[in-house]
Amino acid sequence: AQTVTQSQPEMSVQEAETVTLSCTYDTSESDYYLFWYKQPPSRQMILVIRQEAYKQQNATENRFSVNFQKAAKSFSLKISDSQLGDAAMYFCAYRSGSQGGSEKLVFGKGMKLTVNP
Amino acid sequence: KAGVTQTPRYLIKTRGQQVTLSCSPISGHRSVSWYQQTPGQGLQFLFEYFSETQRNKGNFPGRFSGRQFSNSRSEMNVSTLELGDSALYLCASRDRANTGELFFGEGSRLTVL
Repeated sequence: AQTVTQSQPEMSVQEAETVTLSCTYDTSESDYYLFWYKQPPSRQMILVIRQEAYKQQNATENRFSVNFQKAAKSFSLKISDSQLGDAAMYFCAYRSGSQGGSEKLVFGKGMKLTVNP
Repeated sequence: KAGVTQTPRYLIKTRGQQVTLSCSPISGHRSVSWYQQTPGQGLQFLFEYFSETQRNKGNFPGRFSGRQFSNSRSEMNVSTLELGDSALYLCASRDRANTGELFFGEGSRLTVL
């Protein structure tokens, strides 16, 4: 079974600074997707960024970028120019690419990010 | 376009009772999945439905069940509630044409006393 590990339960960053959230995963599959989701205090999970395992290029979305190391099974999220609105729980998630279309996500335990003004 | 709507947002039940939670997906989305979120276990997959058929099921006891209607709305039911069932239950939907991204509702917070 696939597992996702977020070893840092909490982190803090100063506004406008850069922070990196770590995530490792374990799988024997070669086809899969990785995601970072954000859950603000309002509780609605929002997709931050996604990475297809077959793509070598790291995904970027504005201030958010990932460092995808397939061989090391590592998938970290870098937030640049941190803003107060970035404060939230961040979840790393894995989805198999070979589930016959199933959308089952395997989540890490999450990491609480605090942004200090 | 309206987002994923879950009702009720909050509810309190006692042990032994049953509960039904509802989820209305984004219009046009045919896939609905459910997750249980607790501080101890984190987010755990419950089940997934597509076109009224259960496509995948997580490792939960048979007390947890669900269904999907022809309009893609979904319900999940938990019977014989236990204290450990207290959790935030999240529903997510996906457009068939959009690979990978799930759109989540705000959840139903269940407290079992």
